Amino acid sequence: QVQLQESGPGLVKPSQTLSLTCTVSGGSISSGSHYWSWIRQSTGKGLEWIGRIYTSGSTNYNPSLKSRVTISIDTAKNQISLSLSSVTAADTAVYYCARDSGAVAFDSWGQGTLVTVSS
Amino acid sequence: DVQMTQSPPSLSASVGDRVTITCRASQGISRNLNWYQQKPGKAPKLLIYAASRLQSGVPSRFSGSGSGTDFTLTISSLQPEDFATYYCQQSYSTFLTFGGGTKVEIK
Repeated sequence: QVQLQESGPGLVKPSQTLSLTCTVSGGSISSGSHYWSWIRQSTGKGLEWIGRIYTSGSTNYNPSLKSRVTISIDTAKNQISLSLSSVTAADTAVYYCARDSGAVAFDSWGQGTLVTVSS
Repeated sequence: DVQMTQSPPSLSASVGDRVTITCRASQGISRNLNWYQQKPGKAPKLLIYAASRLQSGVPSRFSGSGSGTDFTLTISSLQPEDFATYYCQQSYSTFLTFGGGTKVEIK
């Protein structure tokens, strides 16, 4: 069974770039027809989809974040990465990576990592 | 973008109750609708995909229905482990969106 694990700094200063990595184990990131997404959740709030990447490298992003987001894939390391630039306190959230099952439903999730934006 | 509206935002129910949560899309999304359960401090868990298909390993007391703009998640007999927050998510548009969530609390 595939497992996902997010990693990265838990504290980022305002105006800087948030960078996270999702490491996939238990299967190759490039096998099967899967998209890999980043999703975030502010404390006590709902879920917000950030964007996704296919194994080919093609991407889709949330229009409200598109100008600040880059998602990339490293098949050799079995990792997906998220970069979010010019962060503000509004970007403070738990960030999840998730696998799309093929029905565009997220059937596998990482445990999430809390990122706080503060000086 | 496709807006997803869930109702109610919260509900109180007892063990054994039948619980129904609704999700409405701002435009027709066919059957491209998924449901998740989230417990505090945990990642969401996929329950239902494609409106009515039960994810492997999910108890059969969970069921989903609907198409177009109106969808329903039903728990036929609420169990203690079902107290959680439930989210719908549309997969019709390439801009994926979630509903605001429904918190199911103990009565």
